Amino acid sequence: EAGVTQFPSHSVIEKGQTVTLRCDPISGHDNLYWYRRVMGKEIKFLLHFVKESKQDESGMPNNRFLAERTGGTYSTLKVQPAELEDSGVYFCASSQEMAWGSNYGYTFGSGTRLTVV
Amino acid sequence: AQSVTQLGSHVSVSEGALVLLRCNYSSSVPPYLFWYVQYPNQGLQLLLKYTTGATLVKGINGFEAEFKKSETSFHLTKPSAHMSDAAEYFCAVGAGTYKYIFGTGTRLKVLA
Repeated sequence: EAGVTQFPSHSVIEKGQTVTLRCDPISGHDNLYWYRRVMGKEIKFLLHFVKESKQDESGMPNNRFLAERTGGTYSTLKVQPAELEDSGVYFCASSQEMAWGSNYGYTFGSGTRLTVV
Repeated sequence: AQSVTQLGSHVSVSEGALVLLRCNYSSSVPPYLFWYVQYPNQGLQLLLKYTTGATLVKGINGFEAEFKKSETSFHLTKPSAHMSDAAEYFCAVGAGTYKYIFGTGTRLKVLA
């Protein structure tokens, strides 16, 4: 089974530019999550999709960030315009169920390292 | 509100020595607790989790953790470190709408 795929793996952009990150979840996983880790800090939740609907977007930092999941398959996270503080590693994860005791937990991708200069 | 504190952003141990990575949590409800590991250029991988039941949880690669409610702790241990254990380790608590609250991570270095 293919894992969670994220690309690009690295992106370096200038302040003010736009960047789009993509996440392909495991096939059949209705739940898709975005997290972000700013250098040296904790990994923070951004949002959660169930199929194509936003279940929880309480972690989105501001309106420069736009997440979509058209058709309930892959998801994109667009940052427009990018600021220096947006630099960090963006992780995507997917899960089949929403149950902490489930044997089907989260699977994380390897992340996209975004550097805004 | 729930939170996680990992003591020590960097820990060094000799190969063969005990590994102890500390995690304390704060939660107003019975917690779900997790340890994840990230090897270089890879995604986060679940090491072990505590949901209910036995408080000593065994995970992959010889790691285990003990849930101690009285101490609000969930420390990760391994009796004998191996070079391949060098990685960054994250403690996390499961929050309401099926999202994680992570600690700041502990980078483990294993010395030959």
